Amino acid sequence: DTGVSQNPRHKITKRGQNVTFRCDPISEHNRLYWYRQTLGQGPEFLTYFQNEAQLEKSRLLSDRFSAERPKGSFSTLEIQRTEQGDSAMYLCASSSPTGRKRDTEAFFGQGTRLTVV
Amino acid sequence: ELKVEQNPLFLSMQEGKNYTIYCNYSTTSDRLYWYRQDPGKSLESLFVLLSNGAVKQEGRLMASLDTKARLSTLHITAAVHDLSATYFCAVDRRYAGNQFYFGTGTSLTVIP
Repeated sequence: DTGVSQNPRHKITKRGQNVTFRCDPISEHNRLYWYRQTLGQGPEFLTYFQNEAQLEKSRLLSDRFSAERPKGSFSTLEIQRTEQGDSAMYLCASSSPTGRKRDTEAFFGQGTRLTVV
Repeated sequence: ELKVEQNPLFLSMQEGKNYTIYCNYSTTSDRLYWYRQDPGKSLESLFVLLSNGAVKQEGRLMASLDTKARLSTLHITAAVHDLSATYFCAVDRRYAGNQFYFGTGTSLTVIP
């Protein structure tokens, strides 16, 4: 198991372009999360999936953002018509909660750093 | 909305000294997490605290949780340079999945 994998690691794009990021969670994990982190701040929740169902979305997730997890495995996060304010680190995490509280721990990927110029 | 506050935000300490980072949160939660983040890197899980009075230790770090006071502490004993990083606490909403609310982080610099 190689942990949570994200790609690309870095993305520079021009304002107005669309970008898509991919996250491959730990294979047996059924929950997958997207977070955004700006410099000097803690990660902010964007959305999460349980299997293929998107169960919750933050108010931060404007209509330019869309996330999918089509087969309950990998997930993609797309940002349309990027703005400079979208520049941030986008982190993916996964977990596999069961009836035991112990399994609530989430493991994070290396993140995708987006720079909108 | 659940709010998580950490203090101090910045901490510079000499090697060999002890210090405590505090994490306060605003609403009921009985699960608290501590993460470490090195510059440009992702978050590494340090501790998961699942009940009132929980205490966990790993090396020079010890974390505790008081759910009644809505307070967690991360105590650093005899700091070494390798502990320099940003430390985040996070809580999740009780009965509501794993939407973590993170604190703003404590940037720790250990000076030789």
